[in-house]
Amino acid sequence: AQSVTQLGSHVSVSEGALVLLRCNYSSSVPPYLFWYVQYPNQGLQLLLKYTSAATLVKGINGFEAEFKKSETSFHLTKPSAHMSDAAEYFCAVSEFSGGYNKLIFGAGTRLAVHP
Amino acid sequence: DADVTQTPRNRITKTGKRIMLECSQTKGHDRMYWYRQDPGLGLRLIYYSFDVKDINKGEISDGYSVSRQAQAKFSLSLESAIPNQTALYFCATSDPRQNQPQHFGDGTRLSIL
Repeated sequence: AQSVTQLGSHVSVSEGALVLLRCNYSSSVPPYLFWYVQYPNQGLQLLLKYTSAATLVKGINGFEAEFKKSETSFHLTKPSAHMSDAAEYFCAVSEFSGGYNKLIFGAGTRLAVHP
Repeated sequence: DADVTQTPRNRITKTGKRIMLECSQTKGHDRMYWYRQDPGLGLRLIYYSFDVKDINKGEISDGYSVSRQAQAKFSLSLESAIPNQTALYFCATSDPRQNQPQHFGDGTRLSIL
């Protein structure tokens, strides 16, 4: 079974600083990977997805993620943090089995941005 | 209007009560899902449905039941609520093509006293 590990349940950065949220996966087959963001009192919103077309994936709100097969990683980055980026971020891997897209989520990383 | 709508958004109830959480969608997706979110655990799948006639248990279905009343409606029931079912519950939908993303509602915060 596939799994997802997000290193760091809480990350705090200054406004304008680099954001790096880490995600490692385990998969026996080429994975489909997703990053979701959850703002307070809202559901999960898709930030970006990796589907093997390109290793560097650009998403919404200036975020991007790089797929590194050798490291089984899919870390999320943003060059300059905004206060509005404060939210919880979830990495997920898709496991397609029995005609069903099962999403396996990491535990999440809460990002705090301070002035 | 939201593509995936959950009602109620918040609910406080007592142990032993029957609770129903409702989900409706306008995305036209056949596949619908119910998850619960607990701090530090991410999202865990309770039930999923491929279409009106196809309902399947997820990893944590004990204590829950579901009903797919129509393509657009998927409800989750707690027959006899217990305190450890206090959580944030999400409904999601997806396109049936392989490895498409899921689309989430805004959640229902359920507290069981």
